[in-house]
Parts: sequence; structure tokens; C-alpha cells
Amino acid sequence: KAGVTQTPRYLIKTRGQQVTLSCSPISGHRSVSWYQQTPGQGLQFLFEYFSETQRNKGNFPGRFSGRQFSNSRSEMNVSTLELGDSALYLCASSYGTDNYGYTFGSGTRLTVV
Amino acid sequence: GEDVEQSLFLSVREGDSSVINCTYTDSSSTYLYWYKQEPGAGLQLLTYIFSNMDMKQDQRLTVLLNKKDKHLSLRIADTQTGDSAIYFCAESSNTGGFKTIFGAGTRLFVKA
Repeated sequence: KAGVTQTPRYLIKTRGQQVTLSCSPISGHRSVSWYQQTPGQGLQFLFEYFSETQRNKGNFPGRFSGRQFSNSRSEMNVSTLELGDSALYLCASSYGTDNYGYTFGSGTRLTVV
Repeated sequence: GEDVEQSLFLSVREGDSSVINCTYTDSSSTYLYWYKQEPGAGLQLLTYIFSNMDMKQDQRLTVLLNKKDKHLSLRIADTQTGDSAIYFCAESSNTGGFKTIFGAGTRLFVKA
């Protein structure tokens, strides 16, 4: 079966712009979680969606937002980009009704210049 | 708050066993995991263990959990050069939704 698909793979944006990243989970998975990965901070939890509802949120500013659609696909948006937002953004999916671990996508590498 | 700590580097010779250690702080953790990340890729789930277990074996992988000390370890038997990667320890508790906290990752170097 198809894995978790994240688009685009690479993105270069300018400070102040906004960006939208997309994630398609594994078929049947209803939970989508987003993580920011940087060399200095490691993997930081952004938020988790299940059946179009945000169930959990990490400690990120309001510039970071997300949503989930009825087909479980998810998007995350970052507004007013800062240099420090440069990171690998990882999406992970699971059934959401158990905690047997995630399937991760390959990530979107965002560079803010 | 929740925290997961692990050493940053480990170097072993091919054929030896590797042991990667991790400590966590959340006493309500219900699941603990080991993930592997290779360059340019996302994380791959290697194995998980319930908090009421103390050991799990899966082929070359052995996970040991000491719940009293909040200590988790991953042993890789007969380590191969293809095992060179970053290994992440993670913990999760069901707090009205699933939120998994990851350690910083241990970079494993396997010398031929």
C-alpha cells in the first residue's frame, strides 16, 4: 500500500511569506501528526488531527496552523515566515485509535531566506 | 513536562552488538518506541513496547524496559554497516489524543 506522501519535498521561501505543506496519510489512517525537525531542537511536536479535529497541540506560536480534511489528508500552514522556521517538516499517520506507532512521510525541507 | 534523553553518538564494529540507551520522565507513558532515520528520509518505526512489559525481542532487536528507573534500551545483535543511522527513542501517553515525544536521537556508526 502507498506510504505517507508529503508535498512538496523541497521549498524555498522568503521571510514574511506564508507556506502550505500537504500530507496524504496511509489509506485507512485517520490520525495525522506534524513534527518540525531541526539539528538543534530535534523533533518537536506541532499538532495532531483525528477525524478533522485537532486533538493535541505543541508549543508553537499561532503562526503555525493546520487542518484535516474529510479524506484524512492534512495541511499545515506557516504564516509570516522567519529564518528560524527553516526545518524538515515531517508528517506521520496512524489509525488514531491505538498507539502502535506512526508511519512517517519523507518530509518537506523548508528553507527560509 | 515530558522529556526523553539519549546519548548522541555510538560507534561499534561490524558484527558486534550495539546498545542504545534512553531515559524518559513521563510516568504515565503507555507506549515506548524505537525509530530509525536514514539520511534524507523520514523516521521508520522499528519496534514498540507496552509499559507493562519489560522485554520484547524481534529478530536482531531486543528492547528492555525498566519502568521503575524509566530506562529503555535497544540492543541490535550482529550490527551491520546498513544499521548505521540515527535511532530515536520516543514515548507516548493517551492524553485525549496521541502525542509522542522524541529524544534527540543517537547516531550509530558501524565500522567495517
